Amino acid sequence: SQKIEQNSEALNIQEGKTATLTCNYTNYSPAYLQWYRQDPGRGPVFLLLIRENEKEKRKERLKVTFDTTLKQSLFHITASQPADSATYLCALVRNFNKFYFGSGTKLNVKP
Amino acid sequence: SQTIHQWPATLVQPVGSPLSLECTVEGTSNPNLYWYRQAAGRGLQLLFYSVGIGQISSEVPQNLSASRPQDRQFILSSKKLLLSDSGFYLCAGLYPFTGELFFGEGSRLTVL
Repeated sequence: SQKIEQNSEALNIQEGKTATLTCNYTNYSPAYLQWYRQDPGRGPVFLLLIRENEKEKRKERLKVTFDTTLKQSLFHITASQPADSATYLCALVRNFNKFYFGSGTKLNVKP
Repeated sequence: SQTIHQWPATLVQPVGSPLSLECTVEGTSNPNLYWYRQAAGRGLQLLFYSVGIGQISSEVPQNLSASRPQDRQFILSSKKLLLSDSGFYLCAGLYPFTGELFFGEGSRLTVL
């Protein structure tokens, strides 16, 4: 079965630094991979999508990389702010209609 | 824009009681719809997805069922709740032009 691993330990960084979150997966390569942000008690919100033939995607302070050989995606937030504190989830998309999520990594950005 | 409405927002139910969680979609037609469950501190577990009226695919054998009686309505049900059914239930829709999921605000279920 599909296994998606994200660091379960919270990531604590100082404001202004770059946060890097990791998503590793096993068993098969997805059509594409997505990253979502989830605040406590709320539904996740879509951030970025990267396809299997793309190496890197950027959106403002966010950057996602996708290495299908390593079966890994990295999610970067540059110039992090306390408002970036949240849980970040990666999702693998299979057959373009099945979305499987990792357990998420909690990011704490300290002022 | 697409919006998902879920209710109730919070539910406390005794073991053995029935369950009905409802999800409706606005702003798009014939979307793929999903039910996820999130246990405390855990990721989202895909329970059911639907590509159209009356079409339900189950991901995990369990005590729950889903139905899609209308294009924009998706219902999660149980005849008899178990303690292990407690969790945060999220309904999501697929926006086909971008391939992203948009989520409702969730329904928190506590089974006592």
